[in-house]
Amino acid sequence: AQSVTQLGSHVSVSEGALVLLRCNYSSSVPPYLFWYVQYPNQGLQLLLKYTSAATLVKGINGFEAEFKKSETSFHLTKPSAHMSDAAEYFCAVSGHTDKLIFGTGTRLQVFP
Amino acid sequence: NAGVTQTPKFRILKIGQSMTLQCTQDMNHNYMYWYRQDPGMGLKLIYYSVGAGITDKGEVPNGYNVSRSTTEDFPLRLELAAPSQTSVYFCASSPDPLRQPQHFGDGTRLSIL
Repeated sequence: AQSVTQLGSHVSVSEGALVLLRCNYSSSVPPYLFWYVQYPNQGLQLLLKYTSAATLVKGINGFEAEFKKSETSFHLTKPSAHMSDAAEYFCAVSGHTDKLIFGTGTRLQVFP
Repeated sequence: NAGVTQTPKFRILKIGQSMTLQCTQDMNHNYMYWYRQDPGMGLKLIYYSVGAGITDKGEVPNGYNVSRSTTEDFPLRLELAAPSQTSVYFCASSPDPLRQPQHFGDGTRLSIL
């Protein structure tokens, strides 16, 4: 069985500061991991995905995530936050089934 | 390239009414999904389909029904609307659920009063 835990339902940063959104997973098989972003009144859009190639994955809009098997983590980072990054972010895991398991989401606020 | 299209975008229903949320995709994806999103709860899978004619229950199927007569369409039906079904509903599709991302529609915001 798979599960995802996102630590922190809300994260606030200043513009230009480091963004760190945490995701820990549980999976009985090698997982595939995804980060999605949701802007207000829109559906989810893929930011990046890990599918067992490189452990450091680069996505759109300057985001990246590192797969750490020993820590069962897949944290999302961005070196310098921009106002346009304000959104809700979801981590998801797929483990050899037809379904994705989503975390409960982290809302990112960016202050000027 | 339309992707995944959901209609309507907003709807208000009275308790006990029924309605169908429409979802269509033009990417020839075999896999399609219906989720509901409630504040602070993430996305919960209602039903999914691995191809035309095949559907299966997700995590929260009670009170909903689906059908998949074509690859393109995957409607979700609420038979007797209840206040607990007030939510935002998302449809998604994927060519490969393990390695490929799901493509989402913009959602249907449903209120049951």
